[in-house]
This record gives sequence, structure tokens and C-alpha cells, in this order.
Amino acid sequence: DAGITQSPRHKVTETGTPVTLRCHQTENHRYMYWYRQDPGHGLRLIHYSYGVKDTDKGEVSDGYSVSRSKTEDFLLTLESATSSQTSVYFCASSERGSNEQFFGPGTRLTVL
Amino acid sequence: AQKVTQAQTEISVVEKEDVTLDCVYETRDTTYYLFWYKQPPSGELVFLIRRNSFDEQNEISGRYSWNFQKSTSSFNFTITASQVVDSAVYFCAPPSGTSGTYKYIFGTGTRLKVLA
Repeated sequence: DAGITQSPRHKVTETGTPVTLRCHQTENHRYMYWYRQDPGHGLRLIHYSYGVKDTDKGEVSDGYSVSRSKTEDFLLTLESATSSQTSVYFCASSERGSNEQFFGPGTRLTVL
Repeated sequence: AQKVTQAQTEISVVEKEDVTLDCVYETRDTTYYLFWYKQPPSGELVFLIRRNSFDEQNEISGRYSWNFQKSTSSFNFTITASQVVDSAVYFCAPPSGTSGTYKYIFGTGTRLKVLA
């Protein structure tokens, strides 16, 4: 299995505060993804990256930004967290865009 | 917008029964990849299969089999002789449709409960 970790694994924060979630992979995969999972919605793509400094929006990108300065790290930032961003966030990576994705363990974020 | 439909929200079967999970999708792409993933109660997401749209042969892996029909945009998943350990949420993931990108849409998933 690909070595992919997420930090933190759990976070509780207050509305209006900035939050950064980190995804780290050790497989030298080119593609990385951030998803959120909510009941009734499955997994929805927030942003993805197809290389260092190359990112693109997903279907639910409003309120989120990402950065990828190194192959192994993909950061997701909520500039000003809102209660609607309470969710479980999954990061994934893949060697090529056409390959299967390997997922991290998820981060449970609660915005009060 | 392109989408994927997993019409069965939840299915319950008794152990050893066969069960088929349906996936219907929309895409404008002519060549693409499709995936199935599994999310057991522990919460991790696990890759099951990748299918290239060029290949319409059914695929079998142990108790798992997949039926891909490009003409009807369906990619169904069958578990034969189900076991309690198969209890999970299963997601179908076709491409999101923006040509040249590798973004995928995950369906809302089908929760499978296999009862002993």
C-alpha cells in the first residue's frame, strides 16, 4: 500500500478560524487529491494536483485553497472555517491520473 | 454536469447470497477509466478494480466480478457467496468528464450489509 498520511486526524475549531490540513505521501506519486465525505453525498472532490505547483478545482472548491510545493505534500486550507465545512476529509494520491488512488486515513474536522 | 448514479442506497443480504451493485454514469469522453472502491466500517477507502473503457470483457477476481457495458454506461459489481466481511460501502467512480484531466466523480455509494 502507498504510504499516505494525513494530519491532524481530528480537529475541532471555531467558525472564522483558519485551518490547514496536511497530506503526505512517500510514493513519489504525481497526482494528489482532496475530497470531503458527508452523509448522503459520497466523496466530493475539492481540489486536485497534477504536479508540483499544478492544481485544479474540483466540484466543491469554494472556501478552500490548496498548495503543493513538494511532490510529497499537499496542503488544504480553509481560510475562514464555517460550520458547513464540518466533514471528514480524505486525501489520495496516484502515480498517474489513470491509475487507482490510494487514500489516507481521513481527517475529521468539526467547526463549531 | 456529468454524474454517476448508484441507485441502491442500502442492500441487506444473508451470508452466501449473491448480490449485484449497480452503477450507471454519464460521460462525454470516448476513452476513460472507471473504478470501484470499498469503504469498510473502519472508514478507510480501498481500491477494488480499474477498468479501461476499451475493454468490455467481464472481469472476475475470486468472489468478485464486474460487468462493464459501454453502450449503456453501466459498470456493475457482483459479489458471489457474500460474507460478513463484505459489509461495507461501495463506491463507483467514473471520470468527471473534463477532457484531459483526471478528476473522478464518486457516487453516493451503496451500503451493503451481509447478515450472518
